[in-house]
Amino acid sequence: TQLLEQSPQFLSIQEGENLTVYCNSSSVFSSLQWYRQEPGEGPVLLVTVVTGGEVKKLKRLTFQFGDARKDSSLHITAAQPGDTGLYLCAGDYLSGSARQLTFGSGTQLTVLP
Amino acid sequence: ETGVTQSPTHLIKTRGQQVTLRCSSQSGHNTVSWYQQALGQGPQFIFQYYREEENGRGNFPPRFSGLQFPNYSSELNVNALELDDSALYLCASSLTTGAYEQYFGPGTRLTVT
Repeated sequence: TQLLEQSPQFLSIQEGENLTVYCNSSSVFSSLQWYRQEPGEGPVLLVTVVTGGEVKKLKRLTFQFGDARKDSSLHITAAQPGDTGLYLCAGDYLSGSARQLTFGSGTQLTVLP
Repeated sequence: ETGVTQSPTHLIKTRGQQVTLRCSSQSGHNTVSWYQQALGQGPQFIFQYYREEENGRGNFPPRFSGLQFPNYSSELNVNALELDDSALYLCASSLTTGAYEQYFGPGTRLTVT
């Protein structure tokens, strides 16, 4: 069974602060994806990282995939109230020909104005 | 381009009843995956459909079953509903079974009383 541990579970910060969310596993994943989910809606894909050590930037968000493809981090610079939401990491692995996603339990981020 | 759509939005059922949830995949996507998201948790993989056949399954009992139609839309059926089946049911489509990215619909909120 592939498990992903996400930390912290809750994070409340002031506008303008920086933060990092971590996603760790003992399993190797083919890729790792980060999603953001608003209440009552489905997760929205932010980024996919595939190569060990890969770093991707999306405006103020920086995503990193660990060298061994077992862990990842999401760093947000100068957080804004609009960044508030549930951030989910998901590891992808092949089971037969099916790509299955294993999700972490999420980080609920609140950015206060 | 039409995104993933799901129906109904909300549903209330009684324990022991049966339910059918529906999903239309994003245009051009031939693979559909279903996930269950309990309150405060990340989504859990139920199963995936590709070319109208089940292509992978998570740790869910046989009373969870599905279908995929020639137009790639899909249904999730749950028999003998239990209280613990109360959750947000998410459908995700991908370009093909080997594609990394999965795109989620808004979900169906099922409440079992």
